[in-house]
Amino acid sequence: KAGVTQTPRYLIKTRGQQVTLSCSPISGHRSVSWYQQTPGQGLQFLFEYFSETQRNKGNFPGRFSGRQFSNSRSEMNVSTLELGDSALYLCASSLARGTGGYTKNIQYFGAGTRLSVL
Amino acid sequence: QQQVKQSPQSLIVQKGGISIINCAYENTAFDYFPWYQQFPGKGPALLIAIRPDVSEKKEGRFTISFNKSAKQFSLHIMDSQPGDSATYFCAANRVGGSEKLVFGKGTKLTVNP
Repeated sequence: KAGVTQTPRYLIKTRGQQVTLSCSPISGHRSVSWYQQTPGQGLQFLFEYFSETQRNKGNFPGRFSGRQFSNSRSEMNVSTLELGDSALYLCASSLARGTGGYTKNIQYFGAGTRLSVL
Repeated sequence: QQQVKQSPQSLIVQKGGISIINCAYENTAFDYFPWYQQFPGKGPALLIAIRPDVSEKKEGRFTISFNKSAKQFSLHIMDSQPGDSATYFCAANRVGGSEKLVFGKGTKLTVNP
């Protein structure tokens, strides 16, 4: 079974540009969460999608947005990039959300997209 | 507000030694406490997890100890190996509520041969 796939693996952008990152969850998983990882702040939650609806959002500005498609694939978008947006962006998927016990809520991470803003 | 505090930030252990990483949480609603292992260039991978109704869970050389009253949990790696060298993150969330994982800042473990 394929794991969580994130594309692209690396991105270089300049300030003011926008970027779209893609995440394909494990087959059958319906919940997708996004995290930002930086050396200073560690892993911080961005948002979570389930059944094409955003269920939870972290403490990030409105420049960060996302969506989920009917096949559970998800994208996140960052507009008007700033230098501080340079980070590893991680996507995680889980089978269920809140039901079915702990096992079905385990989050599996992709390898991430390394974004560098110059 | 950081809700999960992890220590130490870095840890160097000799091969065969015991590695111990500690975490403390604030939110008493948390009911799921996973540990993730991350190698350079990879995403975090679930290592072991515990629920608050259990005080200890062991999987191979990895053991989680959980102290509900102190709101603390720790990861013990017995017989540490150079291949265990990675960054370890503790995390917590409330299953059935917010699905977001709140992570500790991470511990970079180096196991010397």
